[in-house]
Amino acid sequence: DIVMTQSPDSLAVSLGERATITCKSSQTTLYKSNNMNRLAWYQQKPGHPPKLLIYWASVRESGVPDRFSGSESGTGFTLTISNLQPEDVAVYYCQQYFSMPGTFGQGTRVEI
Amino acid sequence: QVQLVQSGTEVKKPGSSVRVSCEVSRDTLREKAISWVRQAPGQGLEWMGGIIPVFERTDYSQKFQGRVTITADDPTSTIYMELTSLTSEDTAVYYCARGGYEEALDHWGQGTLVTVSS
Repeated sequence: DIVMTQSPDSLAVSLGERATITCKSSQTTLYKSNNMNRLAWYQQKPGHPPKLLIYWASVRESGVPDRFSGSESGTGFTLTISNLQPEDVAVYYCQQYFSMPGTFGQGTRVEI
Repeated sequence: QVQLVQSGTEVKKPGSSVRVSCEVSRDTLREKAISWVRQAPGQGLEWMGGIIPVFERTDYSQKFQGRVTITADDPTSTIYMELTSLTSEDTAVYYCARGGYEEALDHWGQGTLVTVSS
């Protein structure tokens, strides 16, 4: 199975500042047909199911605010939350959907 | 609007089985894959398995192989996940989600809490 490792496990960011979460995969997740990585980011608030934020490593899901952005470098991926808002307090997960099982990172808790 | 509606809370004895349902739209049933993901209390997300109903294809995580069965019922547009030989370590919230099989999980059910306790 592909192992996804996130860092940090938690971080505290001031309102209006930037939060950066990284995710590394143990193997490639590159889909050669379009040269894009099968990597998604989810946001989960307490008592709620996860919500898809980003797919193909950098494509924002419809309705997701543009302060959320995804980027990549080799087998490393980054979720950036610019201008952090109170409603962004949550746990964030990366997931590879390149091969089964679709493994998740351990999660990163973002606090104010 | 895409909706996945799951069945309610379950309390089970160790050694028993549980079946959780996930009602989807007919379009979803006929065009998309459905995955099952679980989350133990205070823990992360774990993909258990998935189904592509139109191809009658199922896949399971090796961790759950032999204990989990995912099925689809076309007339009711419902996906079922059955987990057998329950232990306390199976206490978790179980989610169905649209996608998997080389797609991100773009819509999720509300979750079903399964508690295994003697």
